[in-house]
Amino acid sequence: AQSVTQPDIHITVSEGASLELRCNYSYGATPYLFWYVQSPGQGLQLLLKYFSGDTLVQGIKGFEAEFKRSQSSFNLRKPSVHWSDAAEYFCAVGASGTYKYIFGTGTRLKVLA
Amino acid sequence: EAEVAQSPRYKITEKSQAVAFWCDPISGHATLYWYRQILGQGPELLVQFQDESVVDDSQLPKDRFSAERLKGVDSTLKIQPAELGDSAMYLCASSLDGHTGELFFGEGSRLTVL
Repeated sequence: AQSVTQPDIHITVSEGASLELRCNYSYGATPYLFWYVQSPGQGLQLLLKYFSGDTLVQGIKGFEAEFKRSQSSFNLRKPSVHWSDAAEYFCAVGASGTYKYIFGTGTRLKVLA
Repeated sequence: EAEVAQSPRYKITEKSQAVAFWCDPISGHATLYWYRQILGQGPELLVQFQDESVVDDSQLPKDRFSAERLKGVDSTLKIQPAELGDSAMYLCASSLDGHTGELFFGEGSRLTVL
C-alpha cells in the first residue's frame, strides 16, 4: 500500500534562507511523486512532479526536488525563501495504473522577515 | 486558464441536516476525485470517478455519504445526516486521464457542522 510521511509539521525559516522539506514514501514500484502547495483557505497547486528520468526535478516558483530511491525520499528544496512562500506544503505519491494519490499530513512553512 | 469549480465555498449546518457539494471539473478531464481535508491534516481520498464510474470509494462512509457523477462531467457529494466530525474542507480535483499525474484542485468547500 502507498503511504507518505512528512516528518516536520512546522518549519520556520528567515527570508532569504535556504529551505528543505522532507518527504518519505512507501510504495512497491516506482511511484509518481508530487509536491503541492496550499495557501490558507485555498485549494492545492502543483509545484512539481516526478515520474521517471532525471532524479532532480525543477518546479515553479524556484522550487526543486530530488528523488532518492535508496532512501525512499523526495525532498523539496529552495535556495532562497521569499515571504510569499509561507504556506502549507504537501507531498503526494501516486500509483501508476490506479491513479490513486495519497497525501502526506503536510508541513506548514513560516517565513520570518 | 481552465479551473475546477466548486460550490458552495462555505456551508454552515446543524448536525442531522443534509448537505451537498457540487464540483465541475476542467472540461475533458475524465478522472474526478473528492478529498476531505480536516484542519491541520492532508487530503484524504473519499471517492474517485473515471468518467461516470466509481473507481474507488473504499474510504467513503457510505452510511451517510454518497457521490455521483451521472453524465461523467460534474459531480455531487452529499452528506445525510451531517455529524460534528464532518466539519472539514471538501476538495474536488480532476485529472485528464490519470496518466499524466497532475491533479487540478478546486478551491474547496468548507463545511462547519454545529
